[in-house]
Amino acid sequence: EVQLVESGGGLVQPGRSLKLSCAASGFTFSDYYMAWVRQAPTKGLEWVASISYDGGSTYYRDSVKGRFTISRDNAKSSLYLQMDSLRSEDTATYYCTTLGDWFAYWGQGTLVTVSS
Amino acid sequence: DIVLTQSPVLAVSLGQRATISCRASQSVSISSINLMHWYQQKPGQQPKLLIYRASNLASGIPARFSGSGSGTDFTLTIDPVQADDIAAYYCQQSRESPFTFGSGTKLEIK
Repeated sequence: EVQLVESGGGLVQPGRSLKLSCAASGFTFSDYYMAWVRQAPTKGLEWVASISYDGGSTYYRDSVKGRFTISRDNAKSSLYLQMDSLRSEDTATYYCTTLGDWFAYWGQGTLVTVSS
Repeated sequence: DIVLTQSPVLAVSLGQRATISCRASQSVSISSINLMHWYQQKPGQQPKLLIYRASNLASGIPARFSGSGSGTDFTLTIDPVQADDIAAYYCQQSRESPFTFGSGTKLEIK
């Protein structure tokens, strides 16, 4: 059974940093592109960042470029999102997902709240 | 960015057919491949893939869910609607980056 378990969310002040983690199991992690998708409270879904099989290629939405860094450790079957210079508009539940053309598997999400 | 437009709410009676539409600001099809996908999200849960590439049922999804469309106009159909189908439904395109989602359609029971 595919499992994606996010961790690392919490309350953080504007301008500070936070690192999210996602532990994957039940599939060959290195065979998949991976992504982070977020959802602000009561809002819709928004793709944030993606990473290739070996981590050699990364992609970001414009609003997080230069502030967020996606990475992976295939030996640990883990995905990460380093979030720096956080803003109030980054407040959301962050989901770890597998990525083909579509987002096939999703974790349960971790809530990030950016507030003073 | 490709903008996907969905109606915010759809109210349907139990046992009837629900038709949820998604219109893209430009074509999301390449040759015969329609790069539109559908998700279901129940309150307090993560999204779940229902349909990929417009008309392919994801693993474990009941056959009363189906998808159709091409180019800029796509439809998710639920027939018959059951009480367990109360959720938000999102379309998503992978024709070009950034991958974008529709704003979602909330399915309500009349």
